[in-house]
Amino acid sequence: DGGITQSPKYLFRKEGQNVTLSCEQNLNHDAMYWYRQDPGQGLRLIYYSQIVNDFQKGDIAEGYSVSREKKESFPLTVTSAQKNPTAFYLCATRTSGSPSDTGELFFGEGSRLTVL
Amino acid sequence: AQKVTQAQTEISVVEKEDVTLDCVYETRDTTYYLFWYKQPPSGELVFLIRRNSFDEQNEISGRYSWNFQKSTSSFNFTITASQVVDSAVYFCALSEARAGGSYIPTFGRGTSLIVHP
Repeated sequence: DGGITQSPKYLFRKEGQNVTLSCEQNLNHDAMYWYRQDPGQGLRLIYYSQIVNDFQKGDIAEGYSVSREKKESFPLTVTSAQKNPTAFYLCATRTSGSPSDTGELFFGEGSRLTVL
Repeated sequence: AQKVTQAQTEISVVEKEDVTLDCVYETRDTTYYLFWYKQPPSGELVFLIRRNSFDEQNEISGRYSWNFQKSTSSFNFTITASQVVDSAVYFCALSEARAGGSYIPTFGRGTSLIVHP
């Protein structure tokens, strides 16, 4: 099946620990995105990557890091520097990495992170 | 300032009622794009529609219709004869050129629609 796979679906972490959320896609899309969703806050952009080996900060990048070593994969690390990491994290892709691409995003099913 | 405002946090209707979800946006660009997405309980957002700023024609797709009015900066979404399966969170989003020219959507806070049988 073609699609976007996020794992794990649920994750618990102790304060002070880093955690990495996985996002894998087999849609052959160039661009990938990470959004954070909080109740009543909508989706906020953390990082995005329009092409392999390149990525850009979004609106709330502090406390997060990413890598894009392969086209299919865009893992997100939530570091201990992120003050309030408990949230629902959504990975998305878009067909083209061209900055002028205005097409829709395709989303994974999300990962719910809870910090204890 | 919030670029996309979905003032309705939650709407509750009974099956077969019509319901309209409001979306008001703010932009200085003349070229921009508006979207609606549906987020069912499973979590992933599903694309519903995209409109560009030069096309104000309203659109109908089955029980769904969209009313785009530049004069009021609104892009409202109506579901006719709602069904229980329509229960979800609906997001309106605006894409305008960011620094570097990238069109990446900014989302509203979402409207939770609950359709009771």
